[in-house]
Amino acid sequence: QMQLVQSGAEVKEPGASVRVSCKASGYTFTHYHMHWVRQAPGQGLEWMGIIKSDGVTTVYAQKFQGRVTVTSDTSTNTVYIELSSLRSEDSAFYYCARESPFTFNFDFWGQGTLVTVSS
Amino acid sequence: QSALTQPASVSGSPGQSITISCTGTSSDVGSYNYVSWYQHHPDKAPKLIIYDVSKRPSGVSNRFSGSKSGNTASLTISGLQAEDEADYYCNSFTNSGTYVFGAGTKVTVL
Repeated sequence: QMQLVQSGAEVKEPGASVRVSCKASGYTFTHYHMHWVRQAPGQGLEWMGIIKSDGVTTVYAQKFQGRVTVTSDTSTNTVYIELSSLRSEDSAFYYCARESPFTFNFDFWGQGTLVTVSS
Repeated sequence: QSALTQPASVSGSPGQSITISCTGTSSDVGSYNYVSWYQHHPDKAPKLIIYDVSKRPSGVSNRFSGSKSGNTASLTISGLQAEDEADYYCNSFTNSGTYVFGAGTKVTVL
């Protein structure tokens, strides 16, 4: 069955970087885009970026430009998000979410990864 | 890109109908029929319940329906049930090629 399994919780110090992974199974990985969405404590969902099904094209929310990188490894069906220069406001659950190209919605989500930024 | 505007909370009694609004701009909701809605229970992954303004994925109850007029989309839950108590988020594609969520609405079943 279809699964998006994310890596485990992370604790990072301010100024550090974090990389979260999302491993896909149960469907053809290269046929779908993958998005990253986060939710800070007590806050709403926030769209961060997308890597398209070609595994190369990325689009990021302006808020994260220069600080976020999304990559894809087709050999392991895994997508990664790396966020640098972490600050306390980056403490959040990070979700990967799949999109079938040209549908403009997120039809399946990972379980979420908690990132805590604290000194 | 500012978040789409949703009411912070909406409540209703079991069996009633409630409607959640989602207001954007001519750069997002007003320009595309790519509005989707997500149900989010605590400690679970969000779930797609409406896409393309008014379409329901397979397996989603027909008590959920969506519509749009101008820059405002709406989600209606009819026959409200206890299990519908959750946070609901709208999302739209934008003319920048990005996506934007609403601020979220907490639905309480009285």
